[in-house]
Amino acid sequence: ETGVTQTPRHLVMGMTNKKSLKCEQHLGHNAMYWYKQSAKKPLELMFVYNFKEQTENNSVPSRFSPECPNSSHLFLHLHTLQPEDSALYLCASSQGGTSYEQYFGPGTRLTVT
Amino acid sequence: AQKITQTQPGMFVQEKEAVTLDCTYDTSDPSYGLFWYKQPSSGEMIFLIYQGSYDQQNATEGRYSLNFQKARKSANLVISASQLGDSAMYFCAMREGRTGANSKLTFGKGITLSVRP
Repeated sequence: ETGVTQTPRHLVMGMTNKKSLKCEQHLGHNAMYWYKQSAKKPLELMFVYNFKEQTENNSVPSRFSPECPNSSHLFLHLHTLQPEDSALYLCASSQGGTSYEQYFGPGTRLTVT
Repeated sequence: AQKITQTQPGMFVQEKEAVTLDCTYDTSDPSYGLFWYKQPSSGEMIFLIYQGSYDQQNATEGRYSLNFQKARKSANLVISASQLGDSAMYFCAMREGRTGANSKLTFGKGITLSVRP
């Protein structure tokens, strides 16, 4: 596997379900990010982790719970979601320091019914 | 005020021709970076090109070049010799402040580009 991978690619869940999104980066980066992309809206940054520590929570509702066990893995735990949470959830990673590009995974298309 | 503005409606270009995608930005930070990403229908955001606020020359990466006009706060993407595979959404993004692991990107709403054969 190379780059940034995300699983599952598609997820349909009811409002009472609990599910998790997984992201893994194979680039040796130190920082990882969760973004939400809703239809006809710009990408919204949700969370930032740097060396496993959360450094940014962009006022995300508590029904989204991130977890970063190490610099290569990032999870987004979902529970009691709302239909308006349906979106494409993108994970990204970056090296930090003097580097600047963020590399994105293919995303998880989430539908909340 | 929006930090990144992309106002063009869907863009169309003939294969092998050049196309310019517009982006204007708003920041009071003297140090910032500007990015362009491509998002095909598969969903993945693909990094294309980067321009730093202190860079003296316009960035170029293969068929991509960035027309950086600092005084106008614009960072337009120029794609030369368009290919059918260039059909996608294109996003302009900005990082304010110096580089670092906590780089937060602010994205524009994106522009849809369709390349006609």
